[in-house]
Amino acid sequence: DIQMTQSPSSLSASVGDRVTITCRASQSISTYLNWYRQKPGKAPKVLIYGVSSLQSGVPSRFRGSGSGTDFTLTISNLQPEDFATYYCQQSHTIPWTFGQGTNVEIK
Amino acid sequence: QVQLQESGPGLVKPSGTLSLTCDVSGVSISSSSWWSWVRQSPGKGLEWIGRIYHSGSSTYNPSLKSRVTISLDKSKNQVSLRLIFVDAADTAVYYCAREVDTGYNWFDTWGQGSLVTVSS
Repeated sequence: DIQMTQSPSSLSASVGDRVTITCRASQSISTYLNWYRQKPGKAPKVLIYGVSSLQSGVPSRFRGSGSGTDFTLTISNLQPEDFATYYCQQSHTIPWTFGQGTNVEIK
Repeated sequence: QVQLQESGPGLVKPSGTLSLTCDVSGVSISSSSWWSWVRQSPGKGLEWIGRIYHSGSSTYNPSLKSRVTISLDKSKNQVSLRLIFVDAADTAVYYCAREVDTGYNWFDTWGQGSLVTVSS
C-alpha cells in the first residue's frame, strides 16, 4: 500500500492567517492527490482533487500544489469554519489510502 | 442533490457479521459512478474498504478482501456492506461515499456515517 504522511499533525492559527499542510507519499503518485476537510462529528468533505482542482463550491482561499511524492495544501485568510482536521488521500493505486490528518486549531 | 444515508445495527458481537445499507437519493446508482465504503476509527484513521461500480464490478482493500462484500440493490437504490468475522478492531464509523471517476478519482459525496461497535 502507498503510505501517506502528513505534517504537522496539528497546528495553531488565528482567523486571517495563512497555513500550509504537507503530505508526502511513500512512492510517486503523480498528481493523484485529493484533500478533505472534516469537522467534528461530520463526514469528510472534498476540497481539492487532482492536486489542484477546486471542488465546486469550495472557496478560492484553498490551494493545492505538488506532484510525485510531495504535496501541499495552503489555506489563505483562515476562516472560523476552517478550524477542522484535514486529510490527504491518494487515488493513484488501489487501495486508496489517506494521511493521518492535520488538526488546525484556534490559537 | 445527491444524498447518502447509512443505516444498520450499532452493536455487533465478536465473530459476527456487520451489515450496513446506504440509501442513495438524488441519483440512480445505475448511473455511472463508483460507490465506496470508508471507515474511520481512532486507531487506524480513515480506511478505504472497497467499492462497487454501477455494473456490479467490485474492488476491495486487500486487507479486508477475505471478509467483505459490497453489493447493489438497484430496485431500492441502495448500496450494502457486509463484513464477516468481526472483532474489536472493526469498531468504527462507517461511511458510504460516491466516488467520482474522471481519470482522477475522489469522494465527492458522503453519508453522515454509522457508528458500529463490536462488543459482546
